[in-house]
Amino acid sequence: DAEITQSPRHKITETGRQVTLACHQTWNHNNMFWYRQDLGHGLRLIHYSYGVHDTNKGEVSDGYSVSRSNTEDLPLTLESAASSQTSVYFCASSDNRRNTIYFGEGSWLTVV
Amino acid sequence: AQKITQTQPGMFVQEKEAVTLDCTYDTSDPSYGLFWYKQPSSGEMIFLIYQGSYDQQNATEGRYSLNFQKARKSANLVISASQLGDSAMYFCAMRNLNSGYSTLTFGKGTMLLVSP
Repeated sequence: DAEITQSPRHKITETGRQVTLACHQTWNHNNMFWYRQDLGHGLRLIHYSYGVHDTNKGEVSDGYSVSRSNTEDLPLTLESAASSQTSVYFCASSDNRRNTIYFGEGSWLTVV
Repeated sequence: AQKITQTQPGMFVQEKEAVTLDCTYDTSDPSYGLFWYKQPSSGEMIFLIYQGSYDQQNATEGRYSLNFQKARKSANLVISASQLGDSAMYFCAMRNLNSGYSTLTFGKGTMLLVSP
């Protein structure tokens, strides 16, 4: 079965370190997204991509970057982790032909 | 800009009763889709139901139905015959189908607790 996986599922890192969260989907979807979830805010869009070599900023993109070198992967990088980036991160993917977006299981990141 | 509002931070319901979770939205785009997701304590996001703005009938999926009132810009989720396993956070979300096609905008969620 096709799926979308995130790694690591849990990570603790120190302020100032670079962190990369991986997202891999086997749906062959063109569209991929990164969201963060914080209490009282729901899910907010960080970055998204409509295809290989395409990336776009979302609502809360400061301090984050993504790259899309193939269809399957959209890694999210925190260039210099800050305590405000402690959150749960969700990757998602979709196909324009379907009105469904599939989510990964989430990555819990703590910045100390 | 699009916006989703969920005004109920928490809801309580007894097992086997029906419950309605409110969602209102704002968009200037005539073509859009509305989604509901369930997030149990384990954290995953589970897709429940979808309603397109041009769909003639309200969407239904098993015990879930979407009460879509276009003029009022509301898309309430109705869960019939609640079960203990329905206890979770529920998110309403919207996707404009013409501009910024594929991104979802979420509400802040409603926590539903089902009691025996």
